[in-house]
Amino acid sequence: TQLLEQSPQFLSIQEGENLTVYCNSSSVFSSLQWYRQEPGEGPVLLVTVVTGGEVKKLKRLTFQFGDARKDSSLHITAAQPGDTGLYLCAGATPGAGSYQLTFGKGTKLSVIP
Amino acid sequence: DARVTQTPRHKVTEMGQEVTMRCQPILGHNTVFWYRQTMMQGLELLAYFRNRAPLDDSGMPKDRFSAEMPDATLATLKIQPSEPRDSAVYFCASGLVAGPQHFGDGTRLSIL
Repeated sequence: TQLLEQSPQFLSIQEGENLTVYCNSSSVFSSLQWYRQEPGEGPVLLVTVVTGGEVKKLKRLTFQFGDARKDSSLHITAAQPGDTGLYLCAGATPGAGSYQLTFGKGTKLSVIP
Repeated sequence: DARVTQTPRHKVTEMGQEVTMRCQPILGHNTVFWYRQTMMQGLELLAYFRNRAPLDDSGMPKDRFSAEMPDATLATLKIQPSEPRDSAVYFCASGLVAGPQHFGDGTRLSIL
């Protein structure tokens, strides 16, 4: 069974602070995705990283895929209240004719104005 | 924007009752996934379909859960009989093979 461990589980910070959340596994994934989920809604895809060592930026969010494709991090610069939500990482593995996602349990982020 | 539509959004029922959850995938998507989300376990894959054919339902309790796609515009997940431990939020997602998954807003199920 492939597991993705996310840390921290909860994070509460002041507006303007920086933060990093981590997603770790002992398994290799063909790609890794990050989602944000708001209360009462489904997860929304933020980014997909595919190549070991890859770094992608989405405005104030920076995503990195580990060299061995087993781990990833999400760094947020100057957090805003609008960044509040549950951040989920998901590792993709090829399945029968498609691919399957294994999700971490998420990091619940609260940004206090 | 095209969206995955799930109905009902909320369902409260008593233990032993049949529950049916429905999902309308985004038009043109050929892969449909069912997930269950709880605080303890997070998001777990229950089953997925490609071109309406079930590819993997190993995450689903077979004795009480069933998933079908009667046509390309409808996926269903049934629980019979329901139990309190089935209480969770159930998500449907659709996509193209190897493409991103687009999630609906879920059905929040409470079994009393």
